[in-house]
Amino acid sequence: DAGITQSPRHKVTETGTPVTLRCHQTENHRYMYWYRQDPGHGLRLIHYSYGVKDTDKGEVSDGYSVSRSKTEDFLLTLESATSSQTSVYFCAISGGYHYEQYFGPGTRLTVT
Amino acid sequence: ILNVEQSPQSLHVQEGDSTNFTCSFPSSNFYALHWYRWETAKSPEALFVMTLNGDEKKKGRISATLNTKEGYSYLYIKGSQPEDSATYLCAAIIQGAQKLVFGQGTRLTINP
Repeated sequence: DAGITQSPRHKVTETGTPVTLRCHQTENHRYMYWYRQDPGHGLRLIHYSYGVKDTDKGEVSDGYSVSRSKTEDFLLTLESATSSQTSVYFCAISGGYHYEQYFGPGTRLTVT
Repeated sequence: ILNVEQSPQSLHVQEGDSTNFTCSFPSSNFYALHWYRWETAKSPEALFVMTLNGDEKKKGRISATLNTKEGYSYLYIKGSQPEDSATYLCAAIIQGAQKLVFGQGTRLTINP
């Protein structure tokens, strides 16, 4: 299995609070991605990174920011959480082979 | 924006029957097509990555074909077993992009 972990695995937070999710990899892969899973939508890309300090937006980036200060870590921040951001968040990594992706275990976030 | 469609959205099949489902994507600027298997409460796992028109890939009882000229891929499962129950995602990527666009998935349930 690809060495990819996410923390925390579960989090409950209140509306308006900041939240940071962490994705950590031990594969030294160049590409890292954050997705959210919602019923009826499959997986939707939030942000991705193509190298240290190189990031770009996905299709549902509003309300989210990311940072990648080193190869192994990709952080997703919700500056002020809203109930619409309640979801399961998956991190994925890719070494570049046609962008084949390996997924982390997911983080279940509930915003009350 | 690249639009990837999967059909049907859900499927119930008797154990032992064979089944197939479809992924449609724009044929222009095509680069690669991925299939992922996603079991409940787990993370998506890559099944196949295909790039060439006419590609056919096989893993056990599961196979996939690719038609890049008309923009579709089929996933086949022969002799369905209960462990095949999962959501099957396809994702496409176009030339010059570094990110996948996922379809909504086909949820397959195998009835014993």
